[in-house]
Amino acid sequence: QLQLQESGPGLVKPSETLSLICSVSGDSISNDDYYWGWIRQPPGKGLEWIGNVYYSGSTYHNPSLNRRVIIALDTSKNQFSLRLPSVTAADTAIYYCARDLFRIFPHRFDPWGQGILVSVSS
Amino acid sequence: DIQMTQSPSSLSASVGDRVTITCRASQNIGNFLNWYQQKPGKAPNLLIYAAARLQTGVPSRFSGTGFGTEFNLTISSLQPEDFATYYCQESYTTPPFYTFGQGTKLEI
Repeated sequence: QLQLQESGPGLVKPSETLSLICSVSGDSISNDDYYWGWIRQPPGKGLEWIGNVYYSGSTYHNPSLNRRVIIALDTSKNQFSLRLPSVTAADTAIYYCARDLFRIFPHRFDPWGQGILVSVSS
Repeated sequence: DIQMTQSPSSLSASVGDRVTITCRASQNIGNFLNWYQQKPGKAPNLLIYAAARLQTGVPSRFSGTGFGTEFNLTISSLQPEDFATYYCQESYTTPPFYTFGQGTKLEI
C-alpha cells in the first residue's frame, strides 16, 4: 500500500527558504505511471496546488506563487522535495504531498500524505 | 486560468438526508473533475474522479455527475461520518496546472 510522509521544519523565518521532503513507501517514484505533487492549505482555508514533478524530473508549478518553486526527485531515497524561497507569513500552511495518477483517466491526487504544518514567523 | 466555484459554501443537513453539492468551471473542462472529502485535521481523500467514477473503497451512496462546466456531488443518504468539507478540483490543463474549488462545509 502506497504511503507518503512529509517531513521538515515546522517553523521558518520570513525571507528564508521553506524546505520539505516527501518520503514514499510502497511504490517507486521512478514509476512513469505517476506524477508527484505538493498542495498546501492555509489554516482554516482551502486547497492550493503548488506543483508537480514527473519521474523524468520535469516539473510544473503554480505561477500564482510568483517566484521560483523548486521540486525535485531523489530516486536513491525514494523521496521528492519542495523548496520555496523568500517565504512570508502568507506561506504559513499545512503542506501535503500526494501521488498524481493519470493513466486511463484524468489526473487525480491519491493518496495524500498526512500533511505538515509550516509556520512562517520570526 | 480556470476558476472553480462551489455552491453552497456551507450546508446544514441531517442523517439520512440526500444532499447535492455543485461545482462550476469557468470554461469547458469535459470530465476532468475530481471530488475530495476532508475531515478536520486530516488530509483530503479522493471520492470521485473523471466526474463520475467512484474511487475504490468509497461507499456507493456517493455519486458524481456532470460534464463541461457544471458538476454535482450527491450523497444519497447522509451518514454521521459524511459530515466534512468537500472540494472539487479540475485537472483539464496540460501541462499540469490544477485549481480547487473553495470548498463546501457539510454540517449537522
